[in-house]
Amino acid sequence: KQEVTQIPAALSVPEGENLVLNCSFTDSAIYNLQWFRQDPGKGLTSLLLIQSSQREQTSGRLNASLDKSSGRSTLYIAASQPGDSATYLCAVLSNFGNEKLTFGTGTRLTIIP
Amino acid sequence: SQTIHQWPATLVQPVGSPLSLECTVEGTSNPNLYWYRQAAGRGLQLLFYSVGIGQISSEVPQNLSASRPQDRQFILSSKKLLLSDSGFYLCASDRGGGGYTFGSGTRLTVV
Repeated sequence: KQEVTQIPAALSVPEGENLVLNCSFTDSAIYNLQWFRQDPGKGLTSLLLIQSSQREQTSGRLNASLDKSSGRSTLYIAASQPGDSATYLCAVLSNFGNEKLTFGTGTRLTIIP
Repeated sequence: SQTIHQWPATLVQPVGSPLSLECTVEGTSNPNLYWYRQAAGRGLQLLFYSVGIGQISSEVPQNLSASRPQDRQFILSSKKLLLSDSGFYLCASDRGGGGYTFGSGTRLTVV
């Protein structure tokens, strides 16, 4: 059974700093890994999707990496802004049995102006 | 790109009343569709998924049911709500390995 862990559960950093969010998963047999953002009381917004054959994906100030062999992904946010404050979730689509998306419990990020 | 519409955004219902939440998808055909629930302070729990019209799989035993009457319509229902059904309900779709798209969610409070 796939398990996804995100550390830390919460993070506060001053505006302008670069930061890294971590995601680890227990089974490397995955199709892809997806990073989402969730604002309070809102739905999930997809940030980046990394296919299992890829090492990283970039979108603006965001860069996500994937190391399938070690079961890890990181989300790098450059030059953080107060608008980046949200909960960040990673989710893994496994390719064994009935493919299902397994979510981590999220990292609640607060950017301090 | 896919767009998911969910309504209503918020709902307050008394215990024992029925429920119907609707989700429709635009911008794709024959998607896989999902209903998730997010309880306060907890992660996302998959409730139902559907790979086609009339095909519903349930992930957890519960007081809820789902139906897919059309290719791009997914409905979450209950005949009699319980207090424990309160939560944030999210509809999602995917095209098989191309990433998931989520709706904006429905906040259900059972009183």
